[in-house]
Amino acid sequence: NAGVTQTPKFQVLKTGQSMTLQCAQDMNHNSMYWYRQDPGMGLRLIYYSASEGTTDKGEVPNGYNVSRLNKREFSLRLESAAPSQTSVYFCASGQGITGELFFGEGSRLTVL
Amino acid sequence: SQQGEEDPQALSIQEGENATMNCSYKTSINNLQWYRQNSGRGLVHLILIRSNEREKHSGRLRVTLDTSKKSSSLLITASRAADTASYFCATGNSGNTPLVFGKGTRLSVIA
Repeated sequence: NAGVTQTPKFQVLKTGQSMTLQCAQDMNHNSMYWYRQDPGMGLRLIYYSASEGTTDKGEVPNGYNVSRLNKREFSLRLESAAPSQTSVYFCASGQGITGELFFGEGSRLTVL
Repeated sequence: SQQGEEDPQALSIQEGENATMNCSYKTSINNLQWYRQNSGRGLVHLILIRSNEREKHSGRLRVTLDTSKKSSSLLITASRAADTASYFCATGNSGNTPLVFGKGTRLSVIA
């Protein structure tokens, strides 16, 4: 049972390049989330999808877009990467909006 | 913005000692959760305590919740080197909005 799988694990981009982080869960969860983690800042919510077909902004959505492709998959896109988006990105899923979350292993992004 | 704030930011103890971390929050909640993050890994759920509960145990973990003081504590008894990690509290709020995480406590258990 893989749980939550994120790809890629590492990525280096140049300023202005675009990329998509992929996330898939095999637990039949309704809700999926993208967080970023920066030193001293804890986890901050970028976007979430409470159920298939819906997406909502979190605390720090600027510069990002998301797609809930189906119940299993939730992708995060950086259209024009900036150095401020250098971070570790975590995808998570859960059954209910305030219930236990299951996290992926993270995607480490560096924007030069 | 962060709802939960953990205290202390960092804690260093000897193996076998107990470790206590605290979390304070600002608004009403329907549950509070604790997660562990080993270095370079994703977060792992440890325990959930509902707003109508005061104490909960899971193995060597003991969590308390005081809704009147808007605070929670996580006690790890008989700490082991493998408990070295960052610990985060997360609050599930009454308005059915996503969990909000604190900045975490970094625990070092020295063998």
